[in-house]
Amino acid sequence: RKEVEQDPGPFNVPEGATVAFNCTYSNSASQSFFWYRQDCRKEPKLLMSVYSSGNEDGRFTAQLNRASQYISLLIRDSKLSDSATYLCVVNDEGGKLIFGQGTELSVKP
Amino acid sequence: NAGVTQTPKFQVLKTGQSMTLQCAQDMNHEYMSWYRQDPGMGLRLIHYSVGAGITDQGEVPNGYNVSRSTTEDFPLRLLSAAPSQTSVYFCASSYLAENEQFFGPGTRLTVL
Repeated sequence: RKEVEQDPGPFNVPEGATVAFNCTYSNSASQSFFWYRQDCRKEPKLLMSVYSSGNEDGRFTAQLNRASQYISLLIRDSKLSDSATYLCVVNDEGGKLIFGQGTELSVKP
Repeated sequence: NAGVTQTPKFQVLKTGQSMTLQCAQDMNHEYMSWYRQDPGMGLRLIHYSVGAGITDQGEVPNGYNVSRSTTEDFPLRLLSAAPSQTSVYFCASSYLAENEQFFGPGTRLTVL
């Protein structure tokens, strides 16, 4: 089983739609959780950290479920500019970050 | 601040050649790492360093060497390039291993 698993997609949604991504992780001792965004052929950039209580940043909401070991990202009112690959990231036992393979999102007019 | 810089941006090598990918950061980060990204595989950790003079292997270290003589620089050396090393290489840095990582723009390497 991979340490961090994501549905690779692609998710094709119209502008204005709400879309949700899920990610599961295998290490129950993980303490750090992130969502990164990667545009085509560019470097990954932090979208948001994920906290136990859940957190929101504008149209983006991240949730953590420790019991089930999954993380979610909800994007409301999708924009064309949201088209990208979204990477789920979790730390391993040694503290190092492990990246999921990414979920591709394509927002269409 | 320049953040994390990488050179070169693109490189083509022949099988058996060696080269060094450069990485530097000006944020005084202790933790630096090298990843490779292949289609459908996500980012895989090659080597990492928790501070000057300290390096360790990641998930896919074979065929690569690193050193960390200063806090700022973390070069990645390909000893004898193979076509399987064709990939996009990203360098990243952070204050600690479990903190947000800042990535360089990447080096696109093709080995013929």
